[in-house]
Amino acid sequence: GDSVTQMEGPVTLSEEAFLTINCTYTATGYPSLFWYVQYPGEGLQLLLKATKADDKGSNKGFEATYRKETTSFHLEKGSVQVSDSAVYFCALSDRTNQGGKLIFGQGTELSVKP
Amino acid sequence: GAGVSQSPRYKVAKRGQDVALRCDPISGHVSLFWYQQALGQGPEFLTYFQNEAQLDKSGLPSDRFFAERPEGSVSTLKIQRTQQEDSAVYLCASSSGQGVNTEAFFGQGTRLTVV
Repeated sequence: GDSVTQMEGPVTLSEEAFLTINCTYTATGYPSLFWYVQYPGEGLQLLLKATKADDKGSNKGFEATYRKETTSFHLEKGSVQVSDSAVYFCALSDRTNQGGKLIFGQGTELSVKP
Repeated sequence: GAGVSQSPRYKVAKRGQDVALRCDPISGHVSLFWYQQALGQGPEFLTYFQNEAQLDKSGLPSDRFFAERPEGSVSTLKIQRTQQEDSAVYLCASSSGQGVNTEAFFGQGTRLTVV
């Protein structure tokens, strides 16, 4: 079945460092791809998404590009802040599924130190 | 309310007890999803409603799990005869549409601990 694999955490960075969180997927169809973020004590929030190959999703300085040839959707940010400390989840949704249910990776915890 | 509301936020149940978890979706949202998130893992799909119809329950782990949404708004996830492996955070999400391009909004979850 469809699946998502993320790099394991926790990831600890200093403020203003460059961030990459790797995400690869396996899907029988042509999925849409998402990054969700979970800040401490809060619910999951959609960070960005991409629905077709070579699309780039971006939000709050984060970016991810849908790479069909490498089945990847890596999350990047050029300069992280302490407020970016959270758990990040990569997810896919099979577009053939009318419900749009999400399949998540295991999450990557990011800790940014001042 | 402004977002998806779940209650209770925390629930401790003795093994063998029945529990009911409530989800109030965003008003007017057609689609509603339940997910189970074990400690240190990503959420896993349980079931999906479109209005009052339960269109997909493929993720329910056993027949002890039952979900309903009788009027197409509030939903309840019921777990009968709880087991320790049921300990997890149960997340509810709603969206205004039914396609993959419709954003799903998540509640803060109910943390269930079975002792």
